[in-house]
Amino acid sequence: GAVVSQHPSRVICKSGTSVKIECRSLDFQATTMFWYRQFPKKSLMLMATSNEGSKATYEQGVEKDKFLINHASLTLSTLTVTSAHPEDSSFYICSARVSPYEQYFGPGTRLTVT
Amino acid sequence: AQKVTQAQTEISVVEKEDVTLDCVYETRDTTYYLFWYKQPPSGELVFLIRRNSFDEQNEISGRYSWNFQKSTSSFNFTITASQVVDSAVYFCALSEPYGQNFVFGPGTRLSVLP
Repeated sequence: GAVVSQHPSRVICKSGTSVKIECRSLDFQATTMFWYRQFPKKSLMLMATSNEGSKATYEQGVEKDKFLINHASLTLSTLTVTSAHPEDSSFYICSARVSPYEQYFGPGTRLTVT
Repeated sequence: AQKVTQAQTEISVVEKEDVTLDCVYETRDTTYYLFWYKQPPSGELVFLIRRNSFDEQNEISGRYSWNFQKSTSSFNFTITASQVVDSAVYFCALSEPYGQNFVFGPGTRLSVLP
């Protein structure tokens, strides 16, 4: 089946720095990818929808200047957490739409901001 | 609006017991898909099943079985003869046609004790 990868799987950064997370569809092209955030012991919450070649659509309450999303190719979307702070520490999961109903999920990236 | 409810926040069972995880959903669409995912401590979402709204047949896969009942808007998941390796958080999710995203339930944390 379709595979979605994320890199890095874990990252620790200092407060004030920026971190880039990559999401790749390995054996298929994805015009639409999604970014989710998961707080400890909570469910997945959609942050934004990333469309290849166009601007991302952000969910209400998500700061677009804080969480920069770029979907420059049909196999790669990136999420950059700018000027990270400890409250940005979370588990970030991407997914790629493979059909009108289905998404394949990446393995997630655990971000810790110290 | 779509909504997925998993009333059981946490469940603990002893190994070899059967356990049922409840999922109740709300949607105005007549065409939709329902999913179950397992999230072990590693964080990666593991796909378990996809069911479309027109297929109410129950499904069995090894120790896993699913009971889909449109009349009660439920899609319950049963693990027979539970094992310690079944310990994880389980998410039920709903997808609408060309929907922006999955709507995830809050998850049920299952602990299987030896």
